[in-house]
Amino acid sequence: KAGVTQTPRYLIKTRGQQVTLSCSPISGHRSVSWYQQTPGQGLQFLFEYFSETQRNKGNFPGRFSGRQFSNSRSEMNVSTLELGDSALYLCASSLWMREASDNSPLHFGNGTRLTVT
Amino acid sequence: AQSVTQLDSHVSVSEGTPVLLRCNYSSSYSPSLFWYVQHPNKGLQLLLKYTSAATLVKGINGFEAEFKKSETSFHLTKPSAHMSDAAEYFCVVSARNAGNMLTFGGGTRLMVKP
Repeated sequence: KAGVTQTPRYLIKTRGQQVTLSCSPISGHRSVSWYQQTPGQGLQFLFEYFSETQRNKGNFPGRFSGRQFSNSRSEMNVSTLELGDSALYLCASSLWMREASDNSPLHFGNGTRLTVT
Repeated sequence: AQSVTQLDSHVSVSEGTPVLLRCNYSSSYSPSLFWYVQHPNKGLQLLLKYTSAATLVKGINGFEAEFKKSETSFHLTKPSAHMSDAAEYFCVVSARNAGNMLTFGGGTRLMVKP
């Protein structure tokens, strides 16, 4: 079974631009979460989608948004990029949201490394 | 509110010696606790999780962790380090009603010397 696939692996953008990252979950998984990893702030939760609805949201500005499609694939978008948005963005999927089942481990992709210049 | 503190940012051990990575947590609710490992340029892999069953949790690759409520700790141990264990390790807490909204510790980089 294929794992969580994130595209692209690397991305370079300039300040003020916008970017869209893509995540394909494991087949059959319906929950997709996004995390930002930076050297300064560590790993921080962005948002979680389940059945095309945002279920949880972290403490990020409105420039960060996401969506989930009917096939559970997800995209996240960052508008008006800032230098501080440079990070590894990790996507994770699980069968259900954890509150529905404790036997629903989270599987992470290898991430998209975004560099803003 | 919940938080996680990993007490050591770097730990260095010799191959074949024990590993101890320390983690303290704070949670308003009965938490679920996890340890994840991240190898360079890779995503995160679940090592083990605690969800209010046995307090001693066994994970993959010989790792285990003990949940101590009185000390609010969830330290990760392994009897004998292997070179392939060199990686970054994250202690993670989640409230039961928080979906997949995980709170990560700052990470501990484990170095294994030959």
